[in-house]
Amino acid sequence: GNSVTQMEGPVTLSEEAFLTINCTYTATGYPSLFWYVQYPGEGLQLLLKATKADDKGSNKGFEATYRKETTSFHLEKGSVQVSDSAVYFCALTPSGGSYIPTFGRGTSLIVHP
Amino acid sequence: NAGVTQTPKFQVLKTGQSMTLQCAQDMNHNSMYWYRQDPGMGLRLIYYSASEGTTDKGEVPNGYNVSRLNKREFSLRLESAAPSQTSVYFCASRPQQETGYEQYFGPGTRLTVT
Repeated sequence: GNSVTQMEGPVTLSEEAFLTINCTYTATGYPSLFWYVQYPGEGLQLLLKATKADDKGSNKGFEATYRKETTSFHLEKGSVQVSDSAVYFCALTPSGGSYIPTFGRGTSLIVHP
Repeated sequence: NAGVTQTPKFQVLKTGQSMTLQCAQDMNHNSMYWYRQDPGMGLRLIYYSASEGTTDKGEVPNGYNVSRLNKREFSLRLESAAPSQTSVYFCASRPQQETGYEQYFGPGTRLTVT
């Protein structure tokens, strides 16, 4: 079956530090890949996505590149802010079958001033 | 557009009580989903509806039932609540049941079963 593996959290950084959250996946074919963000007390919201190999998704200073050869979709940001503190979920939607999304377990990010 | 709305926001039940969680979307999406979120477990799919008139079980359907009332509304029912159903429940919708389309989530219902 399909699976998404994210690095364990929490990730704790100082403001303006570089962020990487690793995400690798297992799926057949060419799934679409997503990063969602969840702020405290809220639902998930889309941060960025990529639908084919070598695509780069970007939004609000965050970036992730769809790497088919390493089955990865790592999230990066050059300079984090306190307001980026949240839980980040990597997810995929398969390219066939029931098209049911698969989510990683989430990575908590804490940014200190 | 309100997006995806859920009611209630909070609920406390006693073991054995029943309740229905309501979800509605105003984006004309075909597909709708119910998830539960527990600490360290990520999101687990309870039921989904690929299109109006269809529903299917997800990863953890036991103890739950759903109704796709119309294209806008998708409700989740707990017939006899158990403490193991204490969780945060999220409803989501998606334009199509295909790859490439992201999900839109509601704000969640925080349920405690005592």
